[in-house]
Amino acid sequence: QKEVEQDPGPLSVPEGAIVSLNCTYSNSAFQYFMWYRQYSRKGPELLMYTYSSGNKEDGRFTAQVDKSSKYISLFIRDSQPSDSATYLCAINRGAQKLVFGQGTRLTINP
Amino acid sequence: EAGVTQFPSHSVIEKGQTVTLRCDPISGHDNLYWYRRVMGKEIKFLLHFVKESKQDESGMPNNRFLAERTGGTYSTLKVQPAELEDSGVYFCASSPPGQGRHEQFFGPGTRLTVL
Repeated sequence: QKEVEQDPGPLSVPEGAIVSLNCTYSNSAFQYFMWYRQYSRKGPELLMYTYSSGNKEDGRFTAQVDKSSKYISLFIRDSQPSDSATYLCAINRGAQKLVFGQGTRLTINP
Repeated sequence: EAGVTQFPSHSVIEKGQTVTLRCDPISGHDNLYWYRRVMGKEIKFLLHFVKESKQDESGMPNNRFLAERTGGTYSTLKVQPAELEDSGVYFCASSPPGQGRHEQFFGPGTRLTVL
């Protein structure tokens, strides 16, 4: 079983829609959760970083962690064509070793 | 502030040849990481330097891969001899010193193609 599971998509939604991206993880000991955004031919860029359970909001982006179900989510409100990218969830496995999901390719259609 | 830089951006080599990838971390970042993404798979951890010391090299696939970080600044990752399955995108990341700093900043990657 993979430590982090993420549906690779692709996911295509119209501009302005609310987008929900999700990952599940296997080890309840994980504490640090991240979302990275990666544009084509670029490196991953850190979007959101949360510790333990709860929500964290940054502009149009909300990251949510549900430790009871081992489920992490990223919500994008009022989605824009510039949000089209691959979104990667990542967990800090300890000693700063990141474990990534496969990434979900998102397209926002004008 | 300059981000993490990697060189070359793309390398095409034949099986059996040697390739050396370079990473320059963000200035002042003691932590440097190498990751790899092979086709259709997730990004996977290779190793972690703290300054010039290897903190964790549990993700290195085999002894054909050699990473160095002399002087604790830039790092190189050498693949010798390269095999077809080594093709993929190699990412370098860095993070500031100190405990509790979990954000890692990634470079654009080196796309390696082994023919």
